[in-house]
Amino acid sequence: QQKVQQSPESLIVPEGGMASLNCTSSDRNVDYFWWYRQHSGKSPKMLMSIFSNGEKEEGRFTVHLNKASLHTSLHIRDSQPSDSALYLCAASMTTGNYKYVFGAGTRLKVIA
Amino acid sequence: AQTIHQWPVAEIKAVGSPLSLGCTIKGKSSPNLYWYWQATGGTLQQLFYSITVGQVESVVQLNLSASRPKDDQFILSTEKLLLSHSGFYLCAWSLGGDSYEQYFGPGTRLTVL
Repeated sequence: QQKVQQSPESLIVPEGGMASLNCTSSDRNVDYFWWYRQHSGKSPKMLMSIFSNGEKEEGRFTVHLNKASLHTSLHIRDSQPSDSALYLCAASMTTGNYKYVFGAGTRLKVIA
Repeated sequence: AQTIHQWPVAEIKAVGSPLSLGCTIKGKSSPNLYWYWQATGGTLQQLFYSITVGQVESVVQLNLSASRPKDDQFILSTEKLLLSHSGFYLCAWSLGGDSYEQYFGPGTRLTVL
């Protein structure tokens, strides 16, 4: 069964600092990765997605993907207290497959 | 703009009682629809998906069933609740075709006693 592993389980960064989160899939058929942010008691909101090798940047968020190792990372620069949340990584296959596998998440806390 | 509504917001039910949770999408025709479950402190787990009215595919068996009676409606149900059914139930939608980006509803928090 496919698994998505996220690390670290939790992370504390100072306000203004850089947060780096990792995610790896064990399924070689996966070709799409998603990053979601979930504040406590709320539903997940998509941050970014990536399916091509390389890097993608949107504002303070940068996502990297290495398809050979099925590893993706999310980097948040200039972290703010409002970024404190559970960050979820999900993996899926784009070839008409509607199944998504989520990792257990990384809990980020940004301290002022 | 598309909106997704889930009902009820929260539910407290007894073990062995039936359950029905609902989800409605407005502003988008023929969306792909999904049900997820998240135990408290647990991993988000996909339960079902549907790409057309009347057709539902199961991803994980948790003694739950799902139906899509209308294009914009997705129902999750069981005849007999277990303690292990407690958690946060989320409905999500994505555009049809090759678009895979999912948008989650506000969720229903279920407590089984």
